[in-house]
Amino acid sequence: DIQMTQSPSSLSASVGDRVTITCRASQSIGNYLNWYQQKPGKAPKLLIYAASNLQSGVPSRFSGSGSGTDFTLTISSLQPEDFATYCCQQSFSTPWTFGQGTKAEIK
Amino acid sequence: QVQLVQSGAEVKKPGASVKVSCKASGYTFTDFYIHWVRQAPGQGLEWMGWINPNSGSTNYAQKFKGRVTMTRDTSIRAAYMELSRLRSDDTAVYYCARSSIRGVRWFDPWGQGTLVSVSS
Repeated sequence: DIQMTQSPSSLSASVGDRVTITCRASQSIGNYLNWYQQKPGKAPKLLIYAASNLQSGVPSRFSGSGSGTDFTLTISSLQPEDFATYCCQQSFSTPWTFGQGTKAEIK
Repeated sequence: QVQLVQSGAEVKKPGASVKVSCKASGYTFTDFYIHWVRQAPGQGLEWMGWINPNSGSTNYAQKFKGRVTMTRDTSIRAAYMELSRLRSDDTAVYYCARSSIRGVRWFDPWGQGTLVSVSS
């Protein structure tokens, strides 16, 4: 199975900060990498697909980059509604696997 | 709009089975896979498998093989996930989610989730 490792596991940031979350795959997965946002008690929401493509309706302050084994999710200017948990997911091979999540909290 | 609506919360005893439904609307049901993903309390997301609603073919994660069965009813645009021989560590929110059949695939949208509680 492909292991997905996110860092950091949690972060504390202020509104307006630039935030970067990293996801590393245990083997090369090309661009088969997606990012989701999840708020408490809610289903995950797709933010970025195929490593760098912004899902329709998602604010442009979110961006994704990377290929192979190393990927990044960047929020250019953190907004109050962005305090949530973010996780990456690979769809290169089954079983599809997720990172453990990064919880973004208010400083 | 594209939407997946799941059945309500369930409480089960260890050893029992649970069947969760997922009803699709707003798109051609047979053109996309339906996946099942679960999340135990305070834990991360775990993929269980998918069903191709067109053919009925399935792909289960090894961890769940022998205990999970995914089916569909195309006449009512519904997918089902049945998990048998329930244990306490099966307590989780179970989500259905849609993905494309080819290429780089992602989950969108997701159902609202169904809480399955397993307790004696």
